[in-house]
Amino acid sequence: GQNIDQPTEMTATEGAIVQINCTYQTSGFNGLFWYQQHAGEAPTFLSYNVLDGLEEKGRFSSFLSRSKGYSYLLLKELQMKDSASYLCAAASSSASKIIFGSGTRLSIRP
Amino acid sequence: DTAVSQTPKYLVTQMGNDKSIKCEQNLGHDTMYWYKQDSKKFLKIMFSYNNKELIINETVPNRFSPKSPDKAHLNLHINSLELGDSAVYFCASSQEPGGTEAFFGQGTRLTVV
Repeated sequence: GQNIDQPTEMTATEGAIVQINCTYQTSGFNGLFWYQQHAGEAPTFLSYNVLDGLEEKGRFSSFLSRSKGYSYLLLKELQMKDSASYLCAAASSSASKIIFGSGTRLSIRP
Repeated sequence: DTAVSQTPKYLVTQMGNDKSIKCEQNLGHDTMYWYKQDSKKFLKIMFSYNNKELIINETVPNRFSPKSPDKAHLNLHINSLELGDSAVYFCASSQEPGGTEAFFGQGTRLTVV
């Protein structure tokens, strides 16, 4: 089967660090995406991991462990504008699609 | 220049009507998708087309019919609209199916009354 799990909501403080976890099960796994979606807007691409390890891109980093079916998105130096939903998505080449989790709504407080 | 554009952005219509949503991408991608995002914000794939050919149809009622006149366009036609069809519909494209980053259109908020 294909399944993606991530927390529904998280809260963090401006300037702090937050880690959003994601576990997945998918056949023909071909990589893990993280997208950011602000309310009323389209999802926008943040990161893509296909090999194990940490990919760093500015304040955002994404980690993948294929053997554990696990990924996380790490956000540093949080800003108020980081308040959004963060969607974990698994690419499946055998199923020819990208499957999304339900998203984690991150709220940043001053 | 908008990479993936869909129209209209908002659509309010009565139950039983037939409506279409259009999508175009200028990225030269081979694969296009339609996703439905419900009130709980769950983004669920509906259809996937690769080079104008349907490759995924995810148990969507046959009232929904996608049409791809060429690989840059994937339109969604919905017959006999129902209240439960109210959602935001996103078009997306990627270079290949299920393997590369997907770019999303701005979404069409459909409200059936």
